[in-house]
Amino acid sequence: AAGVIQSPRHLIKEKRETATLKCYPIPRHDTVYWYQQGPGQDPQFLISFYEKMQSDKGSIPDRFSAQQFSDYHSELNMSSLELGDSALYFCASSSGAGDNYNEQFFGPGTRLTVL
Amino acid sequence: GIQVEQSPPDLILQEGANSTLRCNFSDSVNNLQWFHQNPWGQLINLFYIPSGTKQNGRLSATTVATERYSLLYISSSQTTDSGVYFCAVEPSMDTGRRALTFGSGTRLQVQP
Repeated sequence: AAGVIQSPRHLIKEKRETATLKCYPIPRHDTVYWYQQGPGQDPQFLISFYEKMQSDKGSIPDRFSAQQFSDYHSELNMSSLELGDSALYFCASSSGAGDNYNEQFFGPGTRLTVL
Repeated sequence: GIQVEQSPPDLILQEGANSTLRCNFSDSVNNLQWFHQNPWGQLINLFYIPSGTKQNGRLSATTVATERYSLLYISSSQTTDSGVYFCAVEPSMDTGRRALTFGSGTRLQVQP
């Protein structure tokens, strides 16, 4: 079965640089979520999109922005990177259809290292 | 927001042993999921279980929604079961779907 695809899998950036993370949800899933997991921590919700519109916002810094495109893929844009942004970034997708309403499936993550 | 507490925080088992992991949550939920995060960082879906009992091989889970807790049972543990087990919940809301709030996880180490 198709899974959530994220790219790149690993990214190394310098402080104050920008980064763009991409997410391709499971086909026919209408909701995308972004989470950030710092070292030794649990995943924290950043932002979500339902049918290409922003639907919810968590602890996302103002330096970050995201959008969902007409083909349902999503991008997380991160500017003025700081050392503390080093983390594993997950994208998850879900659907309102089927028996398991809003069951979220996670991609493999993008490991961002800021030097 | 909703609070999710997992216990124990750390667990060391010998191969073949059984274990029970607990997740308590502070409010009613639409969705409760258990995940296994393997040493490579991948979050693997184990169960979608907002209520009731499910079994999948050596793993089973029970959620008692009225008492706001869920249990994950691992039987005949194997070294490949090592990793962090997360419980995550979506709080009940009037409309729309919400993100998951994760517990702090149980770090399991299975020794040969």
